[in-house]
Amino acid sequence: EPEVTQTPSHQVTQMGQEVILRCVPISNHLYFYWYRQILGQKVEFLVSFYNNEISEKSEIFDDQFSVERPDGSNFTLKIRSTKLEDSAMYFCASSRVPNTEAFFGQGTRLTVV
Amino acid sequence: AQKITQTQPGMFVQEKEAVTLDCTYDTSDQSYGLFWYKQPSSGEMIFLIYQGSYDEQNATEGRYSLNFQKARKSANLVISASQLGDSAMYFCAMREGIQGAQKLVFGQGTRLTINP
Repeated sequence: EPEVTQTPSHQVTQMGQEVILRCVPISNHLYFYWYRQILGQKVEFLVSFYNNEISEKSEIFDDQFSVERPDGSNFTLKIRSTKLEDSAMYFCASSRVPNTEAFFGQGTRLTVV
Repeated sequence: AQKITQTQPGMFVQEKEAVTLDCTYDTSDQSYGLFWYKQPSSGEMIFLIYQGSYDEQNATEGRYSLNFQKARKSANLVISASQLGDSAMYFCAMREGIQGAQKLVFGQGTRLTINP
């Protein structure tokens, strides 16, 4: 069964460093998303992406964040200068069309120290 | 204001019993979708069931069903014949609108524990 794949599963980084979280969405999906979940809290929307551009972004998704689809298969989230409060589980998701279920990857646990 | 409200932070149920997890939502859109996801202790988010606002029948997927009461704006998840492997966090989520890539708005979650 096709699935969304995220790498790495865990990442520890120093405050101020740049990190890139990688995702391979399901191959025939056209809509891509990043969400995050701070430990013990609810899942929060970061950004949606369609047709090589951002469709919507939340207040969390400030200038420190960027997304890219560098080729036909990868979808990346970059955090330029990480802060302690960026520590969270980051989920990539994809959907075939907008009004269907989004399938989530297994998440990348980011720890900023 | 909360768009998705899950009022049960934790639920404890005996194995093989049915369980209902509550979810109420708030939207002024006519077109929206409601989702339930399961998050086991390993952390991944597993899609369970979807209900569109125009769907007249309640959605069912195996042991999962969604009790959709549109006038009350509720979308409760019913798990029949619960199993130990059902122990997890359960999140209700809503997607608004039909155009473009939409976000999901999640509730706070309910931690379900199935006792043997």
